[in-house]
Amino acid sequence: DARVTQTPRHKVTEMGQEVTMRCQPILGHNTVFWYRQTMMQGLELLAYFRNRAPLDDSGMPKDRFSAEMPDATLATLKIQPSEPRDSAVYFCASGLRTGGEPYEQYFGPGTRLTVT
Amino acid sequence: DQQVKQNSPSLSVQEGRISILNCDYTNSMFDYFLWYKKYPAEGPTFLISISSIKDKNEDGRFTVFLNKSAKHLSLHIVPSQPGDSAVYFCAASAYTSGSRLTFGEGTQLTVNP
Repeated sequence: DARVTQTPRHKVTEMGQEVTMRCQPILGHNTVFWYRQTMMQGLELLAYFRNRAPLDDSGMPKDRFSAEMPDATLATLKIQPSEPRDSAVYFCASGLRTGGEPYEQYFGPGTRLTVT
Repeated sequence: DQQVKQNSPSLSVQEGRISILNCDYTNSMFDYFLWYKKYPAEGPTFLISISSIKDKNEDGRFTVFLNKSAKHLSLHIVPSQPGDSAVYFCAASAYTSGSRLTFGEGTQLTVNP
């Protein structure tokens, strides 16, 4: 049963601290997404990668957020320094894009971040 | 600019009746539409999709209808079951944007026994 895994599931930190969230996409998937869910905005796309290359990170605050894929089995999302407004649930999703066909995205369970 | 909108934050129906969840979009480039279901403390899970070349897609109790002229889609659940209680997200993608998904705000469906 292939699943997207995310760690940690919960994170509480103080304002100004660095936060790193990790994601293991489904093996064989070539596209990885980071989303943020807040009460006000629903699901917002922060960034996504294809074949480990960043394709779009326009949804991220560039001064404090960074996303990377060190290898095909790991994606990371870092916030430095964190602020209370970053409190949200962060989801990672992966999918397999072949040619131009649409494809589904499979979501991880999310990391609930609370910045105090 | 909210390109995908779900105007009803919540919906409550009786078990056995039909649930109808609605979604509107503004971007005429969208050509693929999906519904995701989300339970508390879990990630969204894919439910059903429809391509813009169709106006209906059915999978068991779930049917999605697409009205391109009105830029509107809906998800019908018949019959509704208590286990269907969840947040439902509508999402849309366009081939020209690399199939990235744009999500609506979600609708909380509650099915009462």
